[in-house]
Amino acid sequence: DQQVKQNSPSLSVQEGRISILNCDYTNSMFDYFLWYKKYPAEGPTFLISISSIKDKNEDGRFTVFLNKSAKHLSLHIVPSQPGDSAVYFCAASAYAGGTSYGKLTFGQGTILTVHP
Amino acid sequence: DTEVTQTPKHLVMGMTNKKSLKCEQHMGHRAMYWYKQKAKKPPELMFVYSYEKLSINESVPSRFSPECPNSSLLNLHLHALQPEDSALYLCASSQVLGSNTDTQYFGPGTRLTVL
Repeated sequence: DQQVKQNSPSLSVQEGRISILNCDYTNSMFDYFLWYKKYPAEGPTFLISISSIKDKNEDGRFTVFLNKSAKHLSLHIVPSQPGDSAVYFCAASAYAGGTSYGKLTFGQGTILTVHP
Repeated sequence: DTEVTQTPKHLVMGMTNKKSLKCEQHMGHRAMYWYKQKAKKPPELMFVYSYEKLSINESVPSRFSPECPNSSLLNLHLHALQPEDSALYLCASSQVLGSNTDTQYFGPGTRLTVL
């Protein structure tokens, strides 16, 4: 059962335009969401996160939107740059409390290509 | 500073070898993680340490043996691996286990090839 889904395996965007990466989840217990960027043969780099008490979080060119009723989040990159070309993973965690832990559940990733 | 370092960057080993992967962070984080990532797949959690104690073992085979010598270091000891264990091994750390706004920061990974 894939609890976090990124339905678009790839996305191609022109430099300077907006990139929109989407992510859907099924577990209503998820309350913290993160986006990571990954280059080949490197570790994921944390980009931006959002708590379930918010519907938007912005950091420079990156904005994450959360629609809890639709169980959907998206990452907007404006303006897109060729250096943004990478694999983007969304991840979610559920605070289980007590001795439990916020295990990260990852989507399958979306390959973003930004053309000059 | 959100740096997690890992050594070695690349490792090739035979099925009878014993080797170790190392991970270090100096952010004062008290939770550390080992992940395995195969090509075109998301990272898969292997182990979690909290305050230097093993908290989670995601049913990982015993040929992988984690160790947390202190709050900054995390090792993964490898013995009698199989070719299918070839993957990118990622270390991550976060401030504290179980917080609902805890962010994990990843190292660059060790590319392991088992011959």
